[in-house]
Amino acid sequence: EDQVTQSPEALRLQEGESSSLNCSYTVSGLRGLFWYRQDPGKGPEFLFTLYSAGEEKEKERLKATLTKKESFLHITAPKPEDSATYLCAVQEGNSGYSTLTFGKGTMLLVSP
Amino acid sequence: DTGVSQNPRHKITKRGQNVTFRCDPISEHNRLYWYRQTLGQGPEFLTYFQNEAQLEKSRLLSDRFSAERPKGSFSTLEIQRTEQGDSAMYLCASSLAIGRFYEQYFGPGTRLTVT
Repeated sequence: EDQVTQSPEALRLQEGESSSLNCSYTVSGLRGLFWYRQDPGKGPEFLFTLYSAGEEKEKERLKATLTKKESFLHITAPKPEDSATYLCAVQEGNSGYSTLTFGKGTMLLVSP
Repeated sequence: DTGVSQNPRHKITKRGQNVTFRCDPISEHNRLYWYRQTLGQGPEFLTYFQNEAQLEKSRLLSDRFSAERPKGSFSTLEIQRTEQGDSAMYLCASSLAIGRFYEQYFGPGTRLTVT
């Protein structure tokens, strides 16, 4: 069965203090790995899709990377508005369907 | 606004009552998904449509739950005889399946509270 584990569960940073969030996964054939941002009381907001090991994607202060076992979301010089829960999800390649299996998320708090 | 929309945004109901939620996907998207999210957890898959066909249902979707997508447009999720354990955020997502691209875009969710 697919499993997605995110660490740490919560992370507190000072503004400008760079760090990384981890998403480790076990899946029988990865079709895609997805990162989402979720603000309290709102639906997840799509950030990135990664399809193969070695792939990297960037958006503003965020950079996502992928290996065969895990993905990292690097946050460079974060600002308070980056505070949110970051969710990782995987899509299995061997299934004919495209459902996502999510981790529990990392709650990020950036203090000014 | 061309994103996924969901109504109502909040619903408070008494145990044993029936509730129905609506989801309007992004107009050109042919796939529609329902997820449930409880506090401190990631979204959990409930069911999935491609056009009007319901192709997969999770074990989480008990007999009290039913979903429809008439004419492949909007979708409804009905919960009959609600229980306190049904309290959660119900999320709808849609995607356009082209080649390898399956990004799912989520709506704002419907927060259900069963008292």
